[in-house]
Amino acid sequence: KAGVTQTPRYLIKTRGQQVTLSCSPISGHRSVSWYQQTPGQGLQFLFEYFSETQRNKGNFPGRFSGRQFSNSRSEMNVSTLELGDSALYLCASSLDGQNYNYGYTFGSGTRLTVV
Amino acid sequence: DAKTTQPNSMESNEEEPVHLPCNHSTISGTDYIHWYRQLPSQGPEYVIHGLTSNVNNRMASLAIAEDRKSSTLILHRATLRDAAVYYCIPEQLGNQFYFGTGTSLTVIP
Repeated sequence: KAGVTQTPRYLIKTRGQQVTLSCSPISGHRSVSWYQQTPGQGLQFLFEYFSETQRNKGNFPGRFSGRQFSNSRSEMNVSTLELGDSALYLCASSLDGQNYNYGYTFGSGTRLTVV
Repeated sequence: DAKTTQPNSMESNEEEPVHLPCNHSTISGTDYIHWYRQLPSQGPEYVIHGLTSNVNNRMASLAIAEDRKSSTLILHRATLRDAAVYYCIPEQLGNQFYFGTGTSLTVIP
């Protein structure tokens, strides 16, 4: 079966711009989480969506936002980009995000470079 | 956060067993211990998880100390494909994982 699909794979943006990243979870998975990975901070949780509702949010500024659609696909948006937003953004999906026996499946990520 | 301590790096010869340790002395009684790995240029990949008993699956085994303050991921026969960063995750708040710095495993042919 198809895995978690993230688009685009690579993105270059200028400071001050905004960007939207997309994540298509595994079919049937209703929970989508987003993580930011940088060399300095490692993997950090951004937020998690389930049935179009944000259930949990990490410690990131309000410039980072997301949403989930009725088909479970999710997007995250970063406004007013800063150089420090350059990172690999990873999306993970699971059946419901609560029963740990299901585990999480990650996508390959979107590499965002802010110049 | 539950504090996690893992070696920064480890080496193993191909086809030999590898024991990856993790200390999580402040783990709560109800938190599962998860292990994920991240291959180069890929997202993390689920390896195994457990609560109290030792666990086995096709990828690895997980040995959990009786006091749950430490665990060991065991790869029975390391292959070149097992070269990755291995993350031990002893705590999660609902569906939020706290990834540490992990252990970078090098497999020597």
